[in-house]
Amino acid sequence: DAGVIQSPRHEVTEMGQEVTLRCKPISGHDYLFWYRQTMMRGLELLIYFNNNVPIDDSGMPEDRFSAKMPNASFSTLKIQPSEPRDSAVYFCASSLWELMSPWGSEQFFGPGTRLTVL
Amino acid sequence: SQQGEEDPQALSIQEGENATMNCSYKTSINNLQWYRQNSGRGLVHLILIRSNEREKHSGRLRVTLDTSKKSSSLLITASRAADTASYFCAAGTSGTYKYIFGTGTRLKVLA
Repeated sequence: DAGVIQSPRHEVTEMGQEVTLRCKPISGHDYLFWYRQTMMRGLELLIYFNNNVPIDDSGMPEDRFSAKMPNASFSTLKIQPSEPRDSAVYFCASSLWELMSPWGSEQFFGPGTRLTVL
Repeated sequence: SQQGEEDPQALSIQEGENATMNCSYKTSINNLQWYRQNSGRGLVHLILIRSNEREKHSGRLRVTLDTSKKSSSLLITASRAADTASYFCAAGTSGTYKYIFGTGTRLKVLA
């Protein structure tokens, strides 16, 4: 398997523009996470999905952010309109919940998308 | 903030020495994980310790967990230059599948 795939790897845009980040999780994984990493705030969970359904979006900073998972192999994170403070590295991660295990399992991270909003 | 904290923030050691990083968290957990991040890359999973475990080993890694103190430590023995990276703990919140990441420790191993 190629691992978690994210695109684009780098995105530079101007304030006010719409930005769409894309993620392809590892095949067969049933959880998908979107994180944002900045020097000031560290790694923050934005939203996560289970079987394509959003479970917790409490980390989404505001209405300008939206995420979708139309099928098991694709998810998008959209920012509209973008602002300079959205500049960060955005990671997608996927995981397979171990059957009958309450202990959780490891997350597999993609390489990230470095977003710069001018 | 729900974010966990790690200390030290930065650590510089000589190759062959041991490196110890500490993590504190605020929530009730069902597991705690440690990840490594090389500069400009994604995070890579190192080890998972369950909330009912106190210590776990994997190769040169040793993790301890004290749920009464809401803290964990990661020990890397006989460090190598290739261990240079940032290390993060991630606390798995009980009752959810949500992980709260720590602020990270930047480890530099000098050859």
